[in-house]
Amino acid sequence: GESVGLHLPTLSVQEGDNSIINCAYSNSASDYFIWYKQESGKGPQFIIDIRSNMDKRQGQRVTVLLNKTVKHLSLQIAATQPGDSAVYFCAENTPQTGANNLFFGTGTRLTVIP
Amino acid sequence: DGGITQSPKYLFRKEGQNVTLSCEQNLNHDAMYWYRQDPGQGLRLIYYSQIVNDFQKGDIAEGYSVSREKKESFPLTVTSAQKNPTAFYLCASSTPGQEQYFGPGTRLTVT
Repeated sequence: GESVGLHLPTLSVQEGDNSIINCAYSNSASDYFIWYKQESGKGPQFIIDIRSNMDKRQGQRVTVLLNKTVKHLSLQIAATQPGDSAVYFCAENTPQTGANNLFFGTGTRLTVIP
Repeated sequence: DGGITQSPKYLFRKEGQNVTLSCEQNLNHDAMYWYRQDPGQGLRLIYYSQIVNDFQKGDIAEGYSVSREKKESFPLTVTSAQKNPTAFYLCASSTPGQEQYFGPGTRLTVT
């Protein structure tokens, strides 16, 4: 399944499938990007980050892709599990706005169907 | 056990009362942040502090105040001037250039 975070805020996938969550960021000067996972009633949890000098970064079952040309960020989750159900936010940092200030997207709700 | 703590988890107040939300971190982070989250929305920055005794307004600072007297603590006061105070409040901290770590949040309900 695939979604654009700002236009399709929900994504449903079958357990075991791969998930792709997209995010269009706003500022071409942004140099640091983070994906967070937020479960209901809890604070956001860091998943993975990427700096603008990279195009791809992999973690455990997650991969972040950065396309600076079109200002697009994606989070790929392999073999999606029920515990992955949450809202996923992308965040960008622009240096001139102050050290490590982040701008958050609206989020995409991922629902994993057992 | 390192991390960020926020208390209380749920808070109820009558309209017209000021209320202070607590945020403490033992991660030795210089920077701390307060965000507001409304249902189905992203996070909006209220105030941030990059060093003790210094803080700056974020995007929605009106009706809020903060202090940063200690590195570990960054309390947020929601004043009676805040028109719509009912929300989920999140505190975060970071080392400059690194990811922000979030607390568990405080859900404030004002009636």
